[in-house]
Parts: sequence; structure tokens; C-alpha cells
Amino acid sequence: QSVLTQPPSASGTPGQRVTISCSGSSSNIGRNYVYWYQHLPGTAPKVLIYRDNQRPSGVPDRFSGSKSGTSASLAISGLRSEDEADYYCASWDDSLKVFGGGTKLTVL
Amino acid sequence: EVQLVESGGGLVQPGGSLRLSCAASGFTFDNYEMNWVRQAPGKGLEWVAYISSRGHTIYYADSVKGRFTISRDNAKDSLFLQMHSLRAEDTAVYYCARDGSVTEWLVPFDHWGQGTLVTVSS
Repeated sequence: QSVLTQPPSASGTPGQRVTISCSGSSSNIGRNYVYWYQHLPGTAPKVLIYRDNQRPSGVPDRFSGSKSGTSASLAISGLRSEDEADYYCASWDDSLKVFGGGTKLTVL
Repeated sequence: EVQLVESGGGLVQPGGSLRLSCAASGFTFDNYEMNWVRQAPGKGLEWVAYISSRGHTIYYADSVKGRFTISRDNAKDSLFLQMHSLRAEDTAVYYCARDGSVTEWLVPFDHWGQGTLVTVSS
């Protein structure tokens, strides 16, 4: 059971906008930044969002992050086939890093 | 180019030990904090351990505390994970991952290795 809760799956068609949620508590998301990672099978995970809503250089602006209270969301607009991957949120809980359980995104 | 290359994985019996290594290159290793993260088959990512840049601060996930030891050799640009009393549930791909930054902001796990598979089975 992960400290951060994500839906196990999400789906959308090309061009659509999809949102993945990440629910936590006052000890993690409520007081710490949230980060989002994309993991394609057989590759190293890649950071998409840092500090709740900031994109590293090279990450398309189709990806955006938001946070309110003890929940965060990753939105992907203009969905593309190459976005099919596993997505993870992460934060701190006290001094320990924690991940969400991951959401498998399927592009139909 | 930042590179992290893990090694040392393999098949080990329950109760056994294994030492993982991560060779770093392409950046000044002793300026960066490092982590081990694992992914069990069919499961999500799980953070395992953290070590500060000089090794003075260390944290572990509750699931491995008392059994795993993270360490580093800054002279050799290397990160290690010594694993004892291994259990079937420790079976996973183990990744080393760097904590980086963008301007002054910390970005945990900004670079990852390709992982090394540890299988605990009799």
C-alpha cells in the first residue's frame, strides 16, 4: 500500500486531455513539493514535473502539474501515442521519499 | 552526459546477501545526494535508501531498515547497497538515482541508471 494514492489506470484518445491524480496527507503532499515521473518499460524513469508545477527543460508544455491541499494532479494535453507509459507522483513524508503506486496510461 | 551504471544483481537464496554497485560519470559525484529505488515485478517504484553527498546523512525505507546499508566512495565515484537477510519480497530491479537541481530547486531522482535485477529465490 503506497503512501500516495494514484488511480491504477487512465486512458484517452490522441489529442485528448487526461488528468492523473495523486492523493496524500498533511505529512507529505500537504507540506512538501510534489514531483512527477514518466516510466516507459525498459527505460529509466524521467522527471516531468518538479516543485508541484515546474517543467525541466526539454519536457513539452503539454505536461502540467498542479497541487491543492493534500492532492496533486498531472495533466497531459494533446495526448500522443508516445505518452503511453507509467506515471508516478512522489514527495517527502518527514525525511523519507515516497512514491505513489503508479498510473498506467493507455492511449486508445 | 550523466551516466549511472548499476551492477551486482543476480539470483540469491532467501536469507542471503548481495552487494550492488553504481558507477557514476559525467558529473561531479561528490556534489550530489544519491538514492536507491526499486521496482518489484508488476509493481510500482519504491524508494529504498538515501545518502547525502558526503555520506553523513542516511535514510532508509522501513521495509529495508536494519537489513540494507547504503554507502558511497566519492574517490571512486561509486554508490553501493549492501543487502543482507534477503527475502522473496526484495526481488526487484534496483535503480540508483541522483538528486539533482534546477537553479536552486532540488529535483529528486533527476537521473537514473538502467537498473540491475535482484532475484531472491530458492
